[in-house]
Amino acid sequence: QKEVEQDPGPLSVPEGAIVSLNCTYSNSAFQYFMWYRQYSRKGPELLMYTYSSGNKEDGRFTAQVDKSSKYISLFIRDSQPSDSATYLCAMSARRGAQKLVFGQGTRLTINP
Amino acid sequence: GAGVSQSPRYKVAKRGQDVALRCDPISGHVSLFWYQQALGQGPEFLTYFQNEAQLDKSGLPSDRFFAERPEGSVSTLKIQRTQQEDSAVYLCASSYSGTGRVHEQFFGPGTRLTVL
Repeated sequence: QKEVEQDPGPLSVPEGAIVSLNCTYSNSAFQYFMWYRQYSRKGPELLMYTYSSGNKEDGRFTAQVDKSSKYISLFIRDSQPSDSATYLCAMSARRGAQKLVFGQGTRLTINP
Repeated sequence: GAGVSQSPRYKVAKRGQDVALRCDPISGHVSLFWYQQALGQGPEFLTYFQNEAQLDKSGLPSDRFFAERPEGSVSTLKIQRTQQEDSAVYLCASSYSGTGRVHEQFFGPGTRLTVL
Protein backbone atom coordinates (compact mmCIF):
# COMPACT_ATOMS: atom_id res chain seq x y z
CA GLN A 1 0.00 0.00 0.00
CA LYS A 2 1.29 3.45 -0.94
CA GLU A 3 1.91 6.06 1.74
CA VAL A 4 -0.32 8.53 -0.10
CA GLU A 5 -3.45 7.51 -1.98
CA GLN A 6 -5.20 9.74 -4.49
CA ASP A 7 -8.07 8.94 -6.82
CA PRO A 8 -6.60 9.24 -10.31
CA GLY A 9 -9.91 10.21 -11.91
CA PRO A 10 -10.29 11.36 -14.56
CA LEU A 11 -12.71 13.98 -13.27
CA SER A 12 -14.74 16.07 -15.70
CA VAL A 13 -16.99 18.95 -14.55
CA PRO A 14 -18.72 21.93 -16.18
CA GLU A 15 -17.27 25.42 -15.95
CA GLY A 16 -18.28 27.18 -12.75
CA ALA A 17 -18.66 23.99 -10.71
CA ILE A 18 -17.03 23.43 -7.32
CA VAL A 19 -14.35 20.77 -7.52
CA SER A 20 -13.25 18.62 -4.61
CA LEU A 21 -9.96 16.71 -4.75
CA ASN A 22 -8.81 14.43 -1.96
CA CYS A 23 -5.90 12.39 -0.66
CA THR A 24 -5.49 10.00 2.21
CA TYR A 25 -2.22 9.02 3.79
CA SER A 26 -0.90 6.45 6.21
CA ASN A 27 2.26 8.01 7.66
CA SER A 28 1.36 9.96 10.80
CA ALA A 29 4.75 11.72 10.65
CA PHE A 30 3.59 13.88 7.75
CA GLN A 31 3.07 17.46 8.92
CA TYR A 32 3.43 19.55 5.77
CA PHE A 33 0.87 19.22 3.03
CA MET A 34 0.97 20.64 -0.46
CA TRP A 35 -1.06 20.69 -3.63
CA TYR A 36 0.74 20.92 -6.95
CA ARG A 37 -0.77 21.52 -10.37
CA GLN A 38 0.81 19.92 -13.42
CA TYR A 39 -0.08 20.85 -16.96
CA SER A 40 0.65 18.41 -19.76
CA ARG A 41 4.36 18.21 -20.63
CA LYS A 42 5.25 20.58 -17.77
CA GLY A 43 6.70 20.18 -14.30
CA PRO A 44 4.50 20.48 -11.20
CA GLU A 45 3.96 23.97 -9.75
CA LEU A 46 3.00 24.66 -6.14
CA LEU A 47 -0.60 25.81 -5.59
CA MET A 48 -1.17 25.57 -1.86
CA TYR A 49 0.80 24.66 1.24
CA THR A 50 -0.53 23.99 4.75
CA TYR A 51 1.05 22.96 8.00
CA SER A 52 -0.69 20.47 10.30
CA SER A 53 -4.50 20.50 10.55
CA GLY A 54 -6.69 23.37 9.42
CA ASN A 55 -7.86 25.33 6.42
CA LYS A 56 -6.11 27.74 4.10
CA GLU A 57 -7.73 29.86 1.42
CA ASP A 58 -6.14 31.54 -1.58
CA GLY A 59 -8.53 33.07 -4.05
CA ARG A 60 -10.68 30.34 -5.55
CA PHE A 61 -8.65 27.60 -3.87
CA THR A 62 -9.13 26.19 -0.36
CA ALA A 63 -6.94 23.50 1.18
CA GLN A 64 -8.09 21.49 4.18
CA VAL A 65 -6.10 19.12 6.36
CA ASP A 66 -7.60 16.69 8.88
CA LYS A 67 -4.69 14.93 10.55
CA SER A 68 -6.96 12.89 12.82
CA SER A 69 -8.44 11.24 9.73
CA LYS A 70 -5.23 11.44 7.67
CA TYR A 71 -7.22 13.16 4.94
CA ILE A 72 -6.53 16.29 2.92
CA SER A 73 -8.67 18.13 0.42
CA LEU A 74 -8.42 20.85 -2.20
CA PHE A 75 -11.52 22.75 -3.23
CA ILE A 76 -11.71 24.84 -6.38
CA ARG A 77 -14.59 27.32 -6.60
CA ASP A 78 -15.92 28.80 -9.83
CA SER A 79 -13.79 26.39 -11.83
CA GLN A 80 -12.39 27.64 -15.15
CA PRO A 81 -11.23 25.77 -18.27
CA SER A 82 -7.71 26.97 -17.44
CA ASP A 83 -7.90 24.88 -14.24
CA SER A 84 -7.82 21.74 -16.41
CA ALA A 85 -4.66 19.91 -15.32
CA THR A 86 -3.43 17.09 -13.13
CA TYR A 87 -3.53 17.91 -9.41
CA LEU A 88 -0.99 16.22 -7.18
CA CYS A 89 -1.06 16.14 -3.40
CA ALA A 90 2.35 16.00 -1.73
CA MET A 91 3.54 15.64 1.84
CA SER A 92 6.67 15.83 3.92
CA ALA A 93 7.55 14.97 7.48
CA ARG A 94 9.88 17.76 8.55
CA ARG A 95 10.74 21.39 7.97
CA GLY A 96 13.51 22.36 5.63
CA ALA A 97 14.37 20.85 2.31
CA GLN A 98 12.68 17.51 2.40
CA LYS A 99 11.78 14.91 -0.13
CA LEU A 100 8.13 15.08 -1.06
CA VAL A 101 5.87 12.04 -1.15
CA PHE A 102 3.29 12.49 -3.89
CA GLY A 103 -0.09 11.01 -4.58
CA GLN A 104 -0.85 9.53 -7.97
CA GLY A 105 -2.46 12.72 -9.24
CA THR A 106 -6.05 13.45 -10.30
CA ARG A 107 -6.62 14.45 -13.89
CA LEU A 108 -9.22 17.26 -13.98
CA THR A 109 -11.04 18.65 -17.02
CA ILE A 110 -13.26 21.73 -16.82
CA ASN A 111 -15.69 21.84 -19.74
CA PRO A 112 -16.71 25.27 -21.11
CA GLY B 1 17.55 31.77 -16.17
CA ALA B 2 14.12 32.32 -14.71
CA GLY B 3 13.44 28.72 -13.78
CA VAL B 4 14.82 25.21 -13.58
CA SER B 5 15.92 23.94 -16.94
CA GLN B 6 16.52 20.36 -18.00
CA SER B 7 18.13 18.84 -21.04
CA PRO B 8 17.50 17.03 -23.18
CA ARG B 9 13.71 17.36 -23.07
CA TYR B 10 13.31 14.03 -24.83
CA LYS B 11 15.67 11.10 -24.99
CA VAL B 12 15.24 7.79 -26.78
CA ALA B 13 17.72 5.08 -25.84
CA LYS B 14 18.17 1.52 -26.89
CA ARG B 15 18.10 -1.00 -24.09
CA GLY B 16 21.58 -1.30 -22.61
CA GLN B 17 22.72 2.22 -23.51
CA ASP B 18 23.92 4.71 -20.93
CA VAL B 19 22.18 8.09 -20.66
CA ALA B 20 22.96 11.36 -18.90
CA LEU B 21 20.28 13.85 -17.95
CA ARG B 22 21.18 17.41 -17.01
CA CYS B 23 19.54 19.80 -14.58
CA ASP B 24 20.28 23.53 -14.25
CA PRO B 25 18.67 24.74 -11.01
CA ILE B 26 17.61 28.27 -10.23
CA SER B 27 20.71 30.32 -9.49
CA GLY B 28 21.46 30.41 -5.77
CA HIS B 29 19.27 27.46 -4.87
CA VAL B 30 21.05 25.27 -2.38
CA SER B 31 18.87 22.17 -2.56
CA LEU B 32 18.32 20.01 -5.61
CA PHE B 33 16.07 16.99 -5.97
CA TRP B 34 15.54 14.36 -8.65
CA TYR B 35 12.20 12.60 -9.04
CA GLN B 36 10.99 9.91 -11.43
CA GLN B 37 7.45 10.14 -12.79
CA ALA B 38 6.05 7.09 -14.54
CA LEU B 39 3.11 7.52 -16.91
CA GLY B 40 -0.07 8.26 -15.00
CA GLN B 41 1.72 8.35 -11.64
CA GLY B 42 2.93 10.99 -9.25
CA PRO B 43 6.63 11.84 -9.00
CA GLU B 44 8.72 9.53 -6.84
CA PHE B 45 11.80 10.75 -5.01
CA LEU B 46 15.18 9.57 -6.25
CA THR B 47 17.88 11.65 -4.59
CA TYR B 48 18.65 14.98 -2.87
CA PHE B 49 21.66 17.31 -2.83
CA GLN B 50 22.47 20.16 -0.53
CA ASN B 51 25.11 22.12 -2.41
CA GLU B 52 27.50 19.44 -3.70
CA ALA B 53 26.72 16.93 -0.96
CA GLN B 54 24.37 14.09 -1.79
CA LEU B 55 22.47 13.79 1.48
CA ASP B 56 19.86 11.24 0.49
CA LYS B 57 19.95 8.68 -2.30
CA SER B 58 17.47 6.29 -0.80
CA GLY B 59 15.12 6.50 -3.79
CA LEU B 60 17.59 5.42 -6.46
CA PRO B 61 16.09 2.14 -7.74
CA SER B 62 19.36 0.36 -8.46
CA ASP B 63 23.09 0.82 -8.69
CA ARG B 64 22.62 1.61 -12.37
CA PHE B 65 21.43 5.06 -11.27
CA PHE B 66 24.01 7.64 -10.28
CA ALA B 67 23.69 11.38 -9.63
CA GLU B 68 26.25 14.09 -9.08
CA ARG B 69 26.44 17.81 -8.45
CA PRO B 70 30.18 18.44 -8.28
CA GLU B 71 30.17 22.25 -7.96
CA GLY B 72 26.90 22.64 -6.13
CA SER B 73 25.02 23.96 -9.15
CA VAL B 74 24.36 21.85 -12.25
CA SER B 75 23.44 18.24 -11.60
CA THR B 76 23.58 15.17 -13.80
CA LEU B 77 21.57 12.00 -13.40
CA LYS B 78 23.20 9.07 -15.13
CA ILE B 79 21.54 5.77 -15.89
CA GLN B 80 23.74 2.91 -17.00
CA ARG B 81 22.61 -0.06 -19.07
CA THR B 82 19.10 1.32 -19.46
CA GLN B 83 16.14 -1.03 -19.17
CA GLN B 84 12.59 -0.64 -20.46
CA GLU B 85 11.33 -0.08 -16.93
CA ASP B 86 13.50 3.06 -16.76
CA SER B 87 11.14 4.75 -19.24
CA ALA B 88 9.66 7.72 -17.39
CA VAL B 89 9.85 11.47 -17.02
CA TYR B 90 12.76 12.53 -14.84
CA LEU B 91 12.02 15.73 -12.97
CA CYS B 92 14.53 18.00 -11.29
CA ALA B 93 13.51 20.46 -8.59
CA SER B 94 15.44 23.09 -6.67
CA SER B 95 14.72 25.09 -3.55
CA TYR B 96 16.41 28.05 -1.90
CA SER B 97 17.78 26.85 1.38
CA GLY B 98 18.58 23.66 3.17
CA THR B 99 17.28 24.13 6.67
CA GLY B 100 14.81 25.83 8.91
CA ARG B 101 11.85 26.47 6.66
CA VAL B 102 9.53 24.52 4.45
CA HIS B 103 10.74 25.43 1.04
CA GLU B 104 8.88 25.52 -2.20
CA GLN B 105 10.40 23.15 -4.67
CA PHE B 106 10.52 24.61 -8.17
CA PHE B 107 10.31 21.93 -10.83
CA GLY B 108 11.81 21.83 -14.27
CA PRO B 109 9.85 20.56 -17.28
CA GLY B 110 11.43 17.13 -17.05
CA THR B 111 13.27 14.84 -19.43
CA ARG B 112 11.08 12.19 -21.02
CA LEU B 113 13.17 9.04 -21.38
CA THR B 114 11.98 6.23 -23.62
CA VAL B 115 13.95 2.99 -23.63
CA LEU B 116 13.29 0.75 -26.61
